Amino acid sequence: ETGVTQSPTHLIKTRGQQVTLRCSSQSGHNTVSWYQQALGQGPQFIFQYYREEENGRGNFPPRFSGLQFPNYSSELNVNALELDDSALYLCASSLGLAGSQETQYFGPGTRLLVL
Amino acid sequence: QQPVQSPQAVILREGEDAVINCSSSKALYSVHWYRQKHGEAPVFLMILLKGGEQKGHEKISASFNEKKQQSSLYLTASQLSYSGTYFCGTDTAEGRSQGNLIFGKGTKLSVKP
Repeated sequence: ETGVTQSPTHLIKTRGQQVTLRCSSQSGHNTVSWYQQALGQGPQFIFQYYREEENGRGNFPPRFSGLQFPNYSSELNVNALELDDSALYLCASSLGLAGSQETQYFGPGTRLLVL
Repeated sequence: QQPVQSPQAVILREGEDAVINCSSSKALYSVHWYRQKHGEAPVFLMILLKGGEQKGHEKISASFNEKKQQSSLYLTASQLSYSGTYFCGTDTAEGRSQGNLIFGKGTKLSVKP
């Protein structure tokens, strides 16, 4: 158990819809990172939030957006869903900015299927 | 630039040893190793830093060759619980410009009785 939770566990949407995924970080962790993991692939970095501000972004379009709240919860929003957005979405929390010496603690993920 | 992991998959009998490699074309600040079991979250195993410092589980060993930009994870006397997909995450200048680690595609390890 990493102490990081995500909801929902599974979700089915249709192309063009919008979706919100939620994550609850470990208490005291100021950083949350979101990843997309396609089947058979490694996690791909979407973006990172540090103390409620976006602090780094991977190669994902602006229709992927996020929020981080003071209570250690966060959201990933995806607009105008495409079929290729079908994947496992993972959030990970860490004390400081991810990378270098920081250990990231992953949640169990939300599996999104876009039809 | 995504690191390259090898082998892509390996099958072991209980008690056998395995080495999983992670190679980057970019200079590395650190390498992070995670194991993910099917349907579960990736679990932290180890961080290897420049200068030789390591942080992680005592029962797992790994190496980090800064000059070759490579890391290897050593799994000895494998147990059934070692089964899963192993990912390396690399901390590079490119990743830092974005803000995070760049993960490889993973190595699937299956340990049979």
